[in-house]
Amino acid sequence: GQQLNQSPQSMFIQEGEDVSMNCTSSSIFNTWLWYKQDPGEGPVLLIALYKAGELTSNGRLTAQFGITRKDSFLNISASIPSDVGIYFCAVPDSGGSNYKLTFGKGTLLTVNP
Amino acid sequence: DAGVIQSPRHEVTEMGQEVTLRCKPISGHNSLFWYRQTMMRGLELLIYFNNNVPIDDSGMPEDRFSAKMPNASFSTLKIQPSEPRDSAVYFCASKTGLNQETQYFGPGTRLLVL
Repeated sequence: GQQLNQSPQSMFIQEGEDVSMNCTSSSIFNTWLWYKQDPGEGPVLLIALYKAGELTSNGRLTAQFGITRKDSFLNISASIPSDVGIYFCAVPDSGGSNYKLTFGKGTLLTVNP
Repeated sequence: DAGVIQSPRHEVTEMGQEVTLRCKPISGHNSLFWYRQTMMRGLELLIYFNNNVPIDDSGMPEDRFSAKMPNASFSTLKIQPSEPRDSAVYFCASKTGLNQETQYFGPGTRLLVL
């Protein structure tokens, strides 16, 4: 199956700083998804991207679907302590098994108040 | 509205014991997924049910793992016999319709096999 390379693996930042993370792949996708997993909980969908070049915001979060369709970026502006968690990119398999999501390994974000 | 419900939230057992994890999907959702999360391998899909029928079990690690969905509101994932390498967080997720992104995850069961 496809493999997603997510970076950085972890980030330790001060409250108020901006955050950037990305996912890359050697394959082309039609959908990119970003999830957040709070400590002790399951992943929750933050943003879904469906078109190359698309830029979508959800509050302080902004995600972009790369023009090459092989990458995606997530930015968090003015971070706050509740942004702590693991952020995952994910893509659906192509073809008939598009119910199957492949997840990146995640970016662990720690925000120091 | 109640989300996906999983039980138990934590399970500690000894190697060789049978483990049963339970999931109640969101009412009205017709697709159910079991995932396993580990540090080494991340989130992996184990099995996918649609309308209570197993559609894809290619992610089930081996015969020690089995999953059932006897009705639209209940599913189990069983490990028999359990091994230390099965220690992980197991998530159940459900969705409705064709949009794969609308998977709603439960809080997970943290399994430790000693």
